[in-house]
Amino acid sequence: AQSVAQPEDQVNVAEGNPLTVKCTYSVSGNPYLFWYVQYPNRGLQFLLKYITGDNLVKGSYGFEAEFNKSQTSFHLKKPSALVSDSALYFCAVGGGFKTIFGAGTRLFVKA
Amino acid sequence: DGGITQSPKYLFRKEGQNVTLSCEQNLNHDAMYWYRQDPGQGLRLIYYSQIVNDFQKGDIAEGYSVSREKKESFPLTVTSAQKNPTAFYLCASSIFLGSGEPYEQYFGPGTRLTVT
Repeated sequence: AQSVAQPEDQVNVAEGNPLTVKCTYSVSGNPYLFWYVQYPNRGLQFLLKYITGDNLVKGSYGFEAEFNKSQTSFHLKKPSALVSDSALYFCAVGGGFKTIFGAGTRLFVKA
Repeated sequence: DGGITQSPKYLFRKEGQNVTLSCEQNLNHDAMYWYRQDPGQGLRLIYYSQIVNDFQKGDIAEGYSVSREKKESFPLTVTSAQKNPTAFYLCASSIFLGSGEPYEQYFGPGTRLTVT
C-alpha cells in the first residue's frame, strides 16, 4: 500500500529566506510523487512531479523538489520565499485514481 | 483552475435533501474524479471515471452517486444517506492511458456544501 506523510502542519518563514516543506512516502516499487498548492477557497494547482531521472525536479513559480530514495523523501523547496507563496501545500504519491494525498502543510511567509 | 468549472461555489441545503454538484471540463481528459476535503484530512476520493458511461467507487463512496454521460461532465449527487455531507468538494480531471500512469490532476475551484 502507498502512503505519504507531511510531518509539519505549518511552516513559517520570512520573505526572502529559503523554504522547505517536508514530505516522506512509502511505496512498493518506484514512486511517482507530486506537489500541489491550494490557495484559500480554491482548487489544487499542480506544481511538479517526479517520475524518474534527475533527483532535483523543477516546477512552477520557482519551486523545486528533491527526491531522496534512501530517505524516502520528496521535500519541496524554494530559494527565496515570497509572501504570495503563503498557501496550503499537498504532497501526493501515485497518479490517476491511485493518488494518495498528504494531509497538507500550511506555509506562512511573513513580510 | 484552468479548464474545469464547478458550480455553484457555495451551496446550502437542508438535511434530508439530495443535492447535485456540477463539474465540467474542456481539457479533453478521459479521467475525472471527485474528492472531498475536510480540514486536516487532505483529499479523499469519492468516485472516479476513466471513460464515458463508466465509473468506480473511491474510498468514501457511501452516500454519493455520480454519472458520466458525456466526456466533459461528471456531476456528483450528495444523497440524504450521506451522514456528514458538509465539506468542500473538488472535481478533477487527468489524462488516462492505462492503470497507474503518473499523470497529474487538474482541479476545479471547488464547491463548499453546507447542510443544516
